[in-house]
Amino acid sequence: NAGVMQNPRHLVRRRGQEARLRCSPMKGHSHVYWYRQLPEEGLKFMVYLQKENIIDESGMPKERFSAEFPKEGPSILRIQQVVRGDSAAYFCASSPDRGLEAFFGQGTRLTVV
Amino acid sequence: QKEVEQDPGPLSVPEGAIVSLNCTYSNSAFQYFMWYRQYSRKGPELLMYTYSSGNKEDGRFTAQVDKSSKYISLFIRDSQPSDSATYLCAMSSLQGAQKLVFGQGTRLTINP
Repeated sequence: NAGVMQNPRHLVRRRGQEARLRCSPMKGHSHVYWYRQLPEEGLKFMVYLQKENIIDESGMPKERFSAEFPKEGPSILRIQQVVRGDSAAYFCASSPDRGLEAFFGQGTRLTVV
Repeated sequence: QKEVEQDPGPLSVPEGAIVSLNCTYSNSAFQYFMWYRQYSRKGPELLMYTYSSGNKEDGRFTAQVDKSSKYISLFIRDSQPSDSATYLCAMSSLQGAQKLVFGQGTRLTINP
């Protein structure tokens, strides 16, 4: 059973470009969470999604950031018009239900130049 | 003030030592407490979780929660070089894994 798959592992974008981060949850998991980890900081919750629904987006910046988890395919975290401050590691986690054990992916490291 | 405070270290101990890692928190609504281990350039891996106060033991790892003091601990016995990693505490006020609030993480090195 493959774990949570995130791609790409590394992403370089110029300021003003768009970044798309993908997350495929573990098989059988219908709950997806996105977290951001800035250098020398802990992980910060961004958004919680179930299939086709955003359940809690209280950690998402109000502008430029959006997330989706369609009926088919991976969850996507989209960052428009990236700025240097968006440079961070973005982690996706999934769980089979609202249980305690969420499994994290390896992360996507976004660098904005 | 951060909701969860964790000393970032670094912490360096000799192999075989008992390691104590701690977090304090300010939100009395937190009910679920977790410890994650994160190796360099990898995703966090759940080590243990506890509900409310008390102790939980799993092999060489023991987690303690003292809600009256808003203080949680992770003890590692007979520490091994493979335990070298960053340890993150996390907690939640809701049932489930969503919206975990993480500490900054403590970087631990076990020296052979």
